[in-house]
Amino acid sequence: SQTIHQWPATLVQPVGSPLSLECTVEGTSNPNLYWYRQAAGRGLQLLFYSVGIGQISSEVPQNLSASRPQDRQFILSSKKLLLSDSGFYLCAWRDKQGRQPQHFGDGTRLSIL
Amino acid sequence: GENVEQHPSTLSVQEGDSAVIKCTYSDSASNYFPWYKQELGKGPQLIIDIRSNVGEKKDQRIAVTLNKTAKHFSLHITETQPEDSAVYFCAAGVYNYGQNFVFGPGTRLSVLP
Repeated sequence: SQTIHQWPATLVQPVGSPLSLECTVEGTSNPNLYWYRQAAGRGLQLLFYSVGIGQISSEVPQNLSASRPQDRQFILSSKKLLLSDSGFYLCAWRDKQGRQPQHFGDGTRLSIL
Repeated sequence: GENVEQHPSTLSVQEGDSAVIKCTYSDSASNYFPWYKQELGKGPQLIIDIRSNVGEKKDQRIAVTLNKTAKHFSLHITETQPEDSAVYFCAAGVYNYGQNFVFGPGTRLSVLP
């Protein structure tokens, strides 16, 4: 069966520091991968999605970037964090053939001080 | 593009009562409508979904109805229990090819004992 892993689960970072959040999927190949941000008490904002290695689409301009160095690995990064980057970050995957709905990881809670 | 609205934003019910959450969508091409439940500190989990070729689907205490003409769909939870307390998200999109779904802003359901 397929599983999705995100880490770390929680992270506290100072303003101006770099960021790297990692997401990996197991049990499937060539999935579509997604990064969402959820502000406190708010809905899901799609940040990036990827249909393949090295292919990244950005949905909103921001201080963050994403990369997909391997088929089942998706990384969210920032060179310099802002206070507004605080939130709950969720990774998700779907198979391209539409055989399954979208599945989410358990998220990373990022607090910027 | 697709736009999904969701109401109410918060909902409180007594244990044993029913809860109804409603969503509307804008893109008539959307043919798949999943519902996710998000518990505190966790990623959203799929609880039920419906495709546009059916008008209703039921899974134990949870049911979803779809009105394609009016472009709205609803989640019904009967005999609510305290463990149903969570944030619920609806989504709409095209099921094939792993395309991204558009999510509603969420409904915080509280089931009072």
